[in-house]
Amino acid sequence: NAGVMQNPRHLVRRRGQEARLRCSPMKGHSHVYWYRQLPEEGLKFMVYLQKENIIDESGMPKERFSAEFPKEGPSILRIQQVVRGDSAAYFCASSPDGSEQYFGPGTRLTVT
Amino acid sequence: AQSVTQPDIHITVSEGASLELRCNYSYGATPYLFWYVQSPGQGLQLLLKYFSGDTLVQGIKGFEAEFKRSQSSFNLRKPSVHWSDAAEYFCAVGARGSNYQLIWGAGTKLIIKP
Repeated sequence: NAGVMQNPRHLVRRRGQEARLRCSPMKGHSHVYWYRQLPEEGLKFMVYLQKENIIDESGMPKERFSAEFPKEGPSILRIQQVVRGDSAAYFCASSPDGSEQYFGPGTRLTVT
Repeated sequence: AQSVTQPDIHITVSEGASLELRCNYSYGATPYLFWYVQSPGQGLQLLLKYFSGDTLVQGIKGFEAEFKRSQSSFNLRKPSVHWSDAAEYFCAVGARGSNYQLIWGAGTKLIIKP
């Protein structure tokens, strides 16, 4: 059973471009969580999704950020018109039932 | 306000020595508590968790943690550290009913002296 997969592992974008981060949950997991980790800080919850539904997006910035988890395919975290402050590590976690979370290796986004 | 505090940003321990990493929390509901480890450039790996029952929890890699409700603490311990334990350790708290939206401490970086 493969773990949570995230790609790309590293992403460099210029200011104003779009960033798309992908997360494939573990097999059989229908709950996905996205977190952001700024340098020297702990993780901050962004959004919680189940298949085709956003359950809790209270941690998502109101503008430029969106997330989806379609019926087929990976979960996508999309950041439009990136700014330098978006540079961070973005982690995805999945869960079979909303309990224990299994984390992916993260995507490190650098905005130049 | 809900929060998790890891008072030590860095801790340096000699290889073979014992280790205790502190975690204090402030949480309104009955907490579920977790310790994760993050090696450089890697994702997070769950070391152990406490949901209910025995307050002394055994985890992987020889780690254990003790939940002390009266002190709002969930400290992580290991009797003898190995060089491979050098990493960053995060304490997190969550509860059923909050979609397991975990609240995280800022982490403690463990440095192992040879």
